[in-house]
Amino acid sequence: NAGVTQTPKFQVLKTGQSMTLQCAQDMNHEYMSWYRQDPGMGLRLIHYSVGAGITDQGEVPNGYNVSRSTTEDFPLRLLSAAPSQTSVYFCASSLDGRRVAQFFGPGTRLTVL
Amino acid sequence: GENVEQHPSTLSVQEGDSAVIKCTYSDSASNYFPWYKQELGKRPQLIIDIRSNVGEKKDQRIAVTLNKTAKHFSLHITETQPEDSAVYFCAASKKDFGNEKLTFGTGTRLTIIP
Repeated sequence: NAGVTQTPKFQVLKTGQSMTLQCAQDMNHEYMSWYRQDPGMGLRLIHYSVGAGITDQGEVPNGYNVSRSTTEDFPLRLLSAAPSQTSVYFCASSLDGRRVAQFFGPGTRLTVL
Repeated sequence: GENVEQHPSTLSVQEGDSAVIKCTYSDSASNYFPWYKQELGKRPQLIIDIRSNVGEKKDQRIAVTLNKTAKHFSLHITETQPEDSAVYFCAASKKDFGNEKLTFGTGTRLTIIP
């Protein structure tokens, strides 16, 4: 199993550009989530999904969209990038909601200029 | 919403000594408390977790204790080794409209001094 994978590893955007961060897992996990990690602030939940076709907002959802058309994939879309979205983004998955974030992906480091 | 506070923010201990990291949470409905270890430049890794119906859980050199009355939980690492150096995050979760959401503490940078 590859576990949780994320692409790209690094990305630089200009203010106003849009892009999609990819996340995939091959463990047939129902629960997937996106976090951003900023220095001194721990990890904050952006959006999460409890299964294909079901998504909901987390703590900091503004400026981000998600969809879950398959169990395996959970992409995160930045609609119009802003410097405040400069961060490291982690995707996580778990078999169900009991463990919430059991496995994390390797992360995407995003810089918005 | 839930608020998780974590202390200390940095901790240095001699190799072989014990390390203790403490977290408090605000929402008495929280019922799941995981701990993550994050090495520099790497992803967080779940190292141990505890549910509110258990007061203590141990896995080799690491243990977690939970005091529901005081709303705090702690990570204990015994016989520390250089590879224990990392940032440790606590988190708390409760069901919100049927779904679990995690709130993280701000992390503790643990340094093991050889």
